[in-house]
This record gives sequence, structure tokens and C-alpha cells, in this order.
Amino acid sequence: EVQLLESGGGLVQPGGSLRLSCAASGFAFGIYGMTWVRQAPGKGLEWVSAIGGNGVATYYADSVKGRLTISRDNSKNTLYLQMNGLRADDTAVYYCARLPPALPLHANYFDPWGQGTLVTVSS
Amino acid sequence: QSLLTQPPSVSGAPGQRVIISCTGSSSNVGAGSDVHWYQQLPGAAPKLLLYGTNSDRPSGVPGRFSGSRSGTSASLAITGLQAEDEADYYCQSYDNSLSAWLFGGGTKLTVL
Repeated sequence: EVQLLESGGGLVQPGGSLRLSCAASGFAFGIYGMTWVRQAPGKGLEWVSAIGGNGVATYYADSVKGRLTISRDNSKNTLYLQMNGLRADDTAVYYCARLPPALPLHANYFDPWGQGTLVTVSS
Repeated sequence: QSLLTQPPSVSGAPGQRVIISCTGSSSNVGAGSDVHWYQQLPGAAPKLLLYGTNSDRPSGVPGRFSGSRSGTSASLAITGLQAEDEADYYCQSYDNSLSAWLFGGGTKLTVL
């Protein structure tokens, strides 16, 4: 069974840092692109970042460029999101999700999703 | 403000048919980017509902859910509404100008 399990969320002060992890199991992790999507409390979904299967290609939403960094360790079947310079508007549940293999960018969708981890940025 | 526009809410009685629209632009849906749909039940993570050019359904998704597209818009149709369909629904596509994936603002479906 394909499973994605996020961890690392919590309460952090504005300007602080946090690293989220997404442990994957049940599939050949290294051949799939992965993505992070967030959802602020009571709001809709916002795509944050994505990474190719080999970790070379990375993509970011303008709202997080320069502050959040996506990476992966295929030997550990784990996806990461390093979050620096956190702001109040980064408060959200962060989901990791898998991309289908070998599709062009315009065709990609996200399936499955993890259960999410909550990041709260507040003093 | 999302670049994919969805109605904030729709409603229907059990057994009825509802349609949720997703309006984009020439840099995403109109440029040929696929439109995918997700269902988010209360308190749960989103789940893929329809995907791909032909609006295919993942295993386990009932045939009551179907998708279509025309020009810069796409639609999700739900027939034979059931109480368990009450959820938030999101469309998703890729924008060539932004080089980014996009979600619609979401539509809350209420089953009356």
C-alpha cells in the first residue's frame, strides 16, 4: 500500500525555521516526482513546491521562493521541506503528495496525499 | 485570488445532478494543460477524483463523477447526489506563464 507520512510541523516564531519530512513507503520512491501543497486554516489549497525523482529539477511557487527549499533523500525514501524566514501567512497544514511518473509538467496531478502536518507561525 | 475560478458553493438534493465549473485562462486550461479534480471531505486530506485529458477516474471513484472541458473552462459533474458527496471540491492545472501548478479556490458542495 502506498503511504505518505508527514512530520516536523509545530509552533515557530516569525523569522524562524522548520524542516518538514515526508516518509514514503509502498512504491519505488526514486522514480516519482513529489510535491508539497499547503492549506491555511479555513482556506483553499495552495501548491508550494515540487521536485523531480532524481532531485535535480525543483519548482517553487513565487510566494515561497528564496525561503523554502525542497529536497529528497532517495536512500531514505524521504522528502523534505526546509522552511526559513517563516511568516504568519505560512501558517497552514502542509501535505506531501506524489506525482505520476514521466508526465510533462502540464499533465501532472497529485496522488496520493499524506495526512498533513500543521505549521503555526506565531509569536 | 486564484487564477482558476470556481463558485464558492453549490447545493443539490439527493439524487440530483450538480455541476462545478473551473474557469482558467489562455496560459493554463486554454493552453491545453490538463485539469484534475480533488475531493476533500471534512477533516481529511484531499483525494484525487478525476485526472488526465479524458477525466479518468482512479480506482474506487464512482461513475457518478465525470469531467469535461471547453476552451478555458472545465467542469465536474456529479449525478445521483448522495449525502456522502458533501465535501470541498478543487480543480487543479498547470500555468505556463507562471511555471507553476494552480488550484481553484474550491467549491463547497452541500447536499440538502
